[in-house]
Amino acid sequence: DVVMTQSPLSLPVTLGQPASISCRSSQSLVYSDGNTYLSWFQQRPGQSPRRLIYKVSNRDSGVPDRFSGSGSGTDFTLKISRVEAEDVGVYYCMQGPGFTFGPGTKVDIK
Amino acid sequence: EVQLVESGGGLVQPGGSLRLSCAASGFTFSSNWMAWVRQAPGKGLEWVAKLNEDGSEKYYVDSVKGRFTISRDNAKNSLYLQMNSLRAEDTAVYYCARDVDRSFDYWGQGTLVTVSS
Repeated sequence: DVVMTQSPLSLPVTLGQPASISCRSSQSLVYSDGNTYLSWFQQRPGQSPRRLIYKVSNRDSGVPDRFSGSGSGTDFTLKISRVEAEDVGVYYCMQGPGFTFGPGTKVDIK
Repeated sequence: EVQLVESGGGLVQPGGSLRLSCAASGFTFSSNWMAWVRQAPGKGLEWVAKLNEDGSEKYYVDSVKGRFTISRDNAKNSLYLQMNSLRAEDTAVYYCARDVDRSFDYWGQGTLVTVSS
């Protein structure tokens, strides 16, 4: 089974500053069809998860462009160019098609 | 607007059963894979089960195989999760999610299942 890890697990950030979360998989996420099914989700306090990024770098409709995803193979990154107060929450990466989630990274304001 | 609304959660004793429902609207339900994802209190996300458009293909996480059954009624735009032989470790918020291209693009608000005596 594919194991997903994230770092850091806790990320205090300053408003207006950039933030970066790393996600690593125990094996390559390049699927047999050539696609890499790595997604990122945001879960604000008390809310359901919301998808931000799919297939590594594709931003969902309505997601601010300060969020970006990158990576390949087993190493992936979610970046927030300038953190805003509404970005507080837990961020999860997930691999498809096995639907294994990373442990989550808690982002809060310093 | 896509909407997924779960119901059916509650308090149940260990060994008991519960059936969760998810009412879908705003999209062609019968054309989409659907899934259940759960989150234990204070913990991360765990995929539980998924099924294909007509319900003929079903997949489960190992920890629920033989105890949980996912199903759907396309005429009612509804997804279900029948949970039997419930254990304390099944306590979680259960989310219904639409599975598109090996990812979950829409999630419901969740329904809480508590397994306790």
